[in-house]
Amino acid sequence: ETGVTQSPTHLIKTRGQQVTLRCSSQSGHNTVSWYQQALGQGPQFIFQYYREEENGRGNFPPRFSGLQFPNYSSELNVNALELDDSALYLCASSLVGSGRTYNEQFFGPGTRLTVL
Amino acid sequence: KQEVTQIPAALSVPEGENLVLNCSFTDSAIYNLQWFRQDPGKGLTSLLLIQSSQREQTSGRLNASLDKSSGRSTLYIAASQPGDSATYLCAVQTDMRFGAGTRLTVKP
Repeated sequence: ETGVTQSPTHLIKTRGQQVTLRCSSQSGHNTVSWYQQALGQGPQFIFQYYREEENGRGNFPPRFSGLQFPNYSSELNVNALELDDSALYLCASSLVGSGRTYNEQFFGPGTRLTVL
Repeated sequence: KQEVTQIPAALSVPEGENLVLNCSFTDSAIYNLQWFRQDPGKGLTSLLLIQSSQREQTSGRLNASLDKSSGRSTLYIAASQPGDSATYLCAVQTDMRFGAGTRLTVKP
C-alpha cells in the first residue's frame, strides 16, 4: 500500500508569483485535504476535495485554489504569492463512506514553501 | 467556531515516566478526534483515532480518551522513551481543526 506523497519537497518563490503543489493520495482513498502550517503552529485547514468536488473550505482567500483528479491525486494552486504564504503545506487523504462518515486521515511529508 | 487548545505547550520528562497530554475543544458536535505526532520539519503521523461514539482507543503504550460532554481528550503515554520526543497534535473533525500542539522532550 503506497502512502501519501507530495512534490516538490522544497520550493522557493518570489512575491507575486504563482505556485502549484502536488499530492498523490493513498491507494483507495477518495478524499484529500490541504493544510497550511506556519512555524510553531498547528496546521490550518485550507480545503477538502471529495470525489473531485470541493467539500469544505477554511478561512483562506480565493487565490488558494485546488483540483482533485479522477485518480484522486490533487493540486494546490496559490496565486499572487505573499510573504506570509511561507509555510509547510500538507496534504492528507482519507476514505469517506457514502454516508459521509469521516475516517482516519493520513498525511504526506509536506512541501516547504519559502516566499522571498 | 470550533477552538482547540492543547496544554501544556511544552513538556520535558525523564525517560520512563508516564505522562498525559491534554486537548480541549469548544464544540462537542464532532465526528471524531485524532492524535498525531510530528517530528521537526516533517509531516504528521497518525497515532490514534477516536470516533465520536467511542470513549477511548489504545495502541501499544498509547491510550487516548474522549469526553465529548466536557470537550476534552487526553493522550496517555506509558513508560516514555527518548524516541517519543516530538510535537503531539490533536485535531477534531468536523472541519479538522488542530490544536497548536505539545512539544514533548524525553530525556535519557
